[in-house]
Order: sequence, then C-alpha cells, then structure tokens
Amino acid sequence: AQKITQTQPGMFVQEKEAVTLDCTYDTSDQSYGLFWYKQPSSGEMIFLIYQGSYDEQNATEGRYSLNFQKARKSANLVISASQLGDSAMYFCAMREGYDYKLSFGAGTTVTVRA
Amino acid sequence: KAGVTQTPRYLIKTRGQQVTLSCSPISGHRSVSWYQQTPGQGLQFLFEYFSETQRNKGNFPGRFSGRQFSNSRSEMNVSTLELGDSALYLCASMGRMLAEVGGELFFGEGSRLTVL
Repeated sequence: AQKITQTQPGMFVQEKEAVTLDCTYDTSDQSYGLFWYKQPSSGEMIFLIYQGSYDEQNATEGRYSLNFQKARKSANLVISASQLGDSAMYFCAMREGYDYKLSFGAGTTVTVRA
Repeated sequence: KAGVTQTPRYLIKTRGQQVTLSCSPISGHRSVSWYQQTPGQGLQFLFEYFSETQRNKGNFPGRFSGRQFSNSRSEMNVSTLELGDSALYLCASMGRMLAEVGGELFFGEGSRLTVL
C-alpha cells in the first residue's frame, strides 16, 4: 500500500492567490514526521516545512503552512500569495518512528500564472 | 555554509558499464542517504550511511552499492548498468545522529544518469 498519496498531478494557480496541495498518509506508527519538499527544474529538493505527529499546532514557515488533520491522516500544504518562483514539483514525505528513510508521494506540479 | 554537493551532475553510460557517483554532505553532517528518482517509480530510498556504516537499505538489487568515507563523503556505485537505471540520483545529508522524526534531509542537486 502507498504510504503517501498525492492525488493532484498538476495544478495551475494565479499569482498572488493561495493554493492547497493535498497529501494523505498511511502509517501504524504513533510517532512519525511529515515533510514537504519543493523540487524546481534544477532537480534539488528544497525542504519547506515539517509537522510531527505529536505537534498539536499546525506548522507554519513564512508563506507555507501545513494543515494537519491527524484523524483523517492528511497533511495538506498551503502556499499563500503564490509567486512565479513557486512553480515547481512539490513532494509530501513521511518518516516513521526512527526509520532513516523518507517515503515520498508522487508529487504535484504547480504552475503559477502571471 | 556549503550545501550538499554531488558529482558529476550529468553522465551518459551504456548498458553493461558501471558508474560511481559522489556526494559531499554539509560540513558536520555524518548521515548520508541516497534516493533514486524516475518518472515511473518516483523517489525511492536506496541506502543510508552514518559514520562509514550502512544503517538502512532499500529494495534494490545488489548491483547498487555504496560506501562512506571517514570525512563523511559518500559514493554509490551501480554495476552492470541497465536501461532502467536511467534516473536522477539524489544524495541527502542529515545533521542528527538518530533519525528523529524532525530531522529534515538536505538534498543535493542530483546526478542525472542516462543509460543507452
């Protein structure tokens, strides 16, 4: 079974608008972490935001916020005030317990239009 | 602070050849992990090293191997290349000894391998 599911292959968003990227996860671990990474065309994976399973508040980092709904096992990324430079592929990922690897979703391509 | 550096950035090989990719982690980081990214399979974990020891390995055939040196630099090797090995190979380093759930990975720009 897929550990991370991103159902939106691609999205278009108007500059300065907000966009929500969906992510659902599957784990039986009580302790886990959820990450969002951005991958521009250069290939580098850029860390955006992290949410721990025991964190009671939703994580925020600048224009990025994570809408964490534990009971629904979802960890949606919200990008506010989109900029042209936000055009990239976005990956949701999870680390379970003390496992060293990240499990990634298939990614969502975001294209910001002027 | 310099980021994760991967070399070479691009390379082309033919089937049956072998390839070695190099990764220099962020200074002070002792954990290095490798991921393969392909359009069909997405991002898949290859292996992770800490202090020259492989701590975890993904589901890849034995043709994929790696090692880590005392200065934390890591190499991965793929022998007897197949067409399906064409991919972006990403290296990542982590500053924490244990994979605490909050330890984010810092990635390099990757090595893009094409197998003809």
